[in-house]
Amino acid sequence: ETGVTQSPTHLIKTRGQQVTLRCSSQSGHNTVSWYQQALGQGPQFIFQYYREEENGRGNFPPRFSGLQFPNYSSELNVNALELDDSALYLCASSPGGGDGTYEQYFGPGTRLTVT
Amino acid sequence: DQQVKQNSPSLSVQEGRISILNCDYTNSMFDYFLWYKKYPAEGPTFLISISSIKDKNEDGRFTVFLNKSAKHLSLHIVPSQPGDSAVYFCAASEQGTYKYIFGTGTRLKVLA
Repeated sequence: ETGVTQSPTHLIKTRGQQVTLRCSSQSGHNTVSWYQQALGQGPQFIFQYYREEENGRGNFPPRFSGLQFPNYSSELNVNALELDDSALYLCASSPGGGDGTYEQYFGPGTRLTVT
Repeated sequence: DQQVKQNSPSLSVQEGRISILNCDYTNSMFDYFLWYKKYPAEGPTFLISISSIKDKNEDGRFTVFLNKSAKHLSLHIVPSQPGDSAVYFCAASEQGTYKYIFGTGTRLKVLA
């Protein structure tokens, strides 16, 4: 069983640029969540996708957007990068569906540095 | 507004002794709680969870206790091992939202 994978591992971008981060869910999982973890902080929820639809969003501006594909892989896009966007971006997948909560399984993250 | 708080940034424990990590929350709607462990350069790894209908859940060396009236949970690791040295995050969610709210983490160091 393959776990959650993310690419790239590290990325350096310039302020104002756009970036796309990618995530492959764990096999059998149809829900993907994205989190931003700044240095010294816990992960902060950006948004979640369930069966290709956005299922919830945290306090992040619209320049943070996402997609989920039919194979349940996902992308996080960030436009007009700001210095404060420098962080570890984590993707997590879960079986999802229906009521109740499920453990989320995290990938290793993408370290984004904005200069 | 920090809804999930881990007030101890770090904790050092001797190998073989008990490690107790604490977490407080403010949102009474939270009904599912989890602990994750994170090593450097890796994503958080799920450790153990507890539903609000329980007050204790055990898995091997790890036990989570939930005190709903105090809005407090704790993770006990017995016996502690050097490989347990990591940052531990507690997280909470409301049923059906799938959104986790994380604390800021506690760095545990187990001394050999």
